[in-house]
Amino acid sequence: DVKVTQSSRYLVKRTGEKVFLECVQDMDHENMFWYRQDPGLGLRLIYFSYDVKMKEKGDIPEGYSVSREKKERFSLILESASTNQTSMYLCASSFPQTTGNTIYFGEGSWLTVV
Amino acid sequence: QKEVEQNSGPLSVPEGAIASLNCTYSDRGSQSFFWYRQYSGKSPELIMFIYSNGDKEDGRFTAQLNKASQYVSLLIRDSQPSDSATYLCAVKGDSGYALNFGKGTSLLVTP
Repeated sequence: DVKVTQSSRYLVKRTGEKVFLECVQDMDHENMFWYRQDPGLGLRLIYFSYDVKMKEKGDIPEGYSVSREKKERFSLILESASTNQTSMYLCASSFPQTTGNTIYFGEGSWLTVV
Repeated sequence: QKEVEQNSGPLSVPEGAIASLNCTYSDRGSQSFFWYRQYSGKSPELIMFIYSNGDKEDGRFTAQLNKASQYVSLLIRDSQPSDSATYLCAVKGDSGYALNFGKGTSLLVTP
């Protein structure tokens, strides 16, 4: 089974803090993604990476950055957290082009910024 | 921005009935279509995917795709209370890597 692990499930951070969300996958997937999910807005893509050290902006990259130094690990960074970044963050991974890019999700990280 | 549209619901069906969930998409060039199920407080899990026009069956689930009408649907036969969840339609996006998701349809199966 595909395993995508998000190490922090529930976080409470203060406005202005730097926040790291870590994600690890154990299936040797090339592609990794960060989405956020908000009521009424659905799942929105923040960033994705198709290879080590490669990254591409998604639909809502503002206020976020990412790091992919190793194939299995993809980190989302909030340089200066703001209250509008309170959300559930979902990491995901996939093989390229096989099974139609089926994306497998981690369990999610619930972030509250106060 | 390519759009994926779903009726938010809730769609309420009695136990044992067929639930029909619908999704339309704006990008005529889209090739791959996915259905995910998401229970409250949990992450989405893949139900099935479809590439070709027509029907694809997997157990109690049937995905239907009509590319000419830019329409994809999910039928759930013999609906069970455990099927109560939000169902997300997703389409492979411009990047060729990520999926664009609809906002989901909430399904409630009543005993």
